Amino acid sequence: DILMTQSPSSLSASVGDRVTIICRASQNIYRSLIWHQQKPGKAPKLLIYGASTLRSGVPSRFSGSGSETDFTLTISSLQPEDFATYFCQHNYTLPRTFGRGTKVEIK
Amino acid sequence: EVQLVEFGGGLVQPGGSLRLTCEASGFVFSSYWMSWVRQSPQKGLEWVANIKVDGSETNYLESVKGRFIISRDNAKNSLYLQMNSLRVDDTAVYYCTRGGGNFDPWGQGTQVTVSS
Repeated sequence: DILMTQSPSSLSASVGDRVTIICRASQNIYRSLIWHQQKPGKAPKLLIYGASTLRSGVPSRFSGSGSETDFTLTISSLQPEDFATYFCQHNYTLPRTFGRGTKVEIK
Repeated sequence: EVQLVEFGGGLVQPGGSLRLTCEASGFVFSSYWMSWVRQSPQKGLEWVANIKVDGSETNYLESVKGRFIISRDNAKNSLYLQMNSLRVDDTAVYYCTRGGGNFDPWGQGTQVTVSS
């Protein structure tokens, strides 16, 4: 199975900050990388697929980059509604696997 | 609006069975692969199973093979997960989600607790 490793596991940031979350795959997954956002008590929501394609309706302050094994999710200017947990997930082969998440908290 | 609503979760003893149902609306259900994904504090998010548009292909997480069965009824816009021989470590919130890999959207989830 492909292991997805996220860092950091949590971070504290202020509104307006630039935030970067890293996801590493244990093998080459090309650009088969998805980012989800989850708020407490709610289901995850897909933000980005294909490593960098923003889902329709997702604010442009979110961006994704990377390929092969190293990927990044960036929030250019953190907004109050962005405080949540972010998960990466590969879509390259079966089984689909997820990172353990990065919790973005208010500083 | 695309909507997925799961139900059927609950408390069950180890070795017991449960059948989860997901009712879909707002999209052409028969045109999409569908999946079940579960989430627990211990294991995080885990893909469990997926099923092709016409039900002709199914895939499973290794740890549930032989115990869980995913199925669908396109006439009823419904997805199912039959869970047998349940174990304590199957305890999780189970989500129904559209897609075989790009999971979008997700249902609200249903809690399955396996405990004696």
